[in-house]
Amino acid sequence: DTEVTQTPKHLVMGMTNKKSLKCEQHMGHRAMYWYKQKAKKPPELMFVYSYEKLSINESVPSRFSPECPNSSLLNLHLHALQPEDSALYLCASRQDQGPGNTIYFGEGSWLTVV
Amino acid sequence: GEDVEQSLFLSVREGDSSVINCTYTDSSSTYLYWYKQEPGAGLQLLTYIFSNMDMKQDQRLTVLLNKKDKHLSLRIADTQTGDSAIYFCAEKEGSGYSTLTFGKGTMLLVSP
Repeated sequence: DTEVTQTPKHLVMGMTNKKSLKCEQHMGHRAMYWYKQKAKKPPELMFVYSYEKLSINESVPSRFSPECPNSSLLNLHLHALQPEDSALYLCASRQDQGPGNTIYFGEGSWLTVV
Repeated sequence: GEDVEQSLFLSVREGDSSVINCTYTDSSSTYLYWYKQEPGAGLQLLTYIFSNMDMKQDQRLTVLLNKKDKHLSLRIADTQTGDSAIYFCAEKEGSGYSTLTFGKGTMLLVSP
């Protein structure tokens, strides 16, 4: 099983709303990632969690707040977003941060900010 | 910093072979990956190759790596309309906390 599950698949939110994106994997992976992807562009790294601790924050605005409640779950809390934040948000996981381990992606959550 | 370059578009006829090319700059890259993204979907890992290998074959997919020229290619034999998608090349260096560096993606269009 190489499945990374993301919910919701689609989300429309207003600029004053608070919402969350969720990601789950049951592969025993200890590294989890959030990526943002705009149309026809490659994914851009946002956050990396390693063993449930935030290890990389790629200078992401504070209106995006990640959370890793346990080794299987990764959330992305959204608050006061802007229309330009509309994108596909991809979660990924990997066994750990060792050099040989493959990164598996979820299907993504399509976010539209109105 | 690392840089990964790909041609942006490739059009082939069904049944032909497709070759998608990628170049990278980071000589410390240890793993190189090909991901497929269909419209409206996430990234699907197709295959990967370790930097000490020259070639890897997996059914219709053949990956060739020229480490000297830092050139990676993905060949899809007997291309089908279902292969139409964006293909991303990605590289990862060997050190612990590094992540993937993606190319801009190659859109493959397969016509009947």
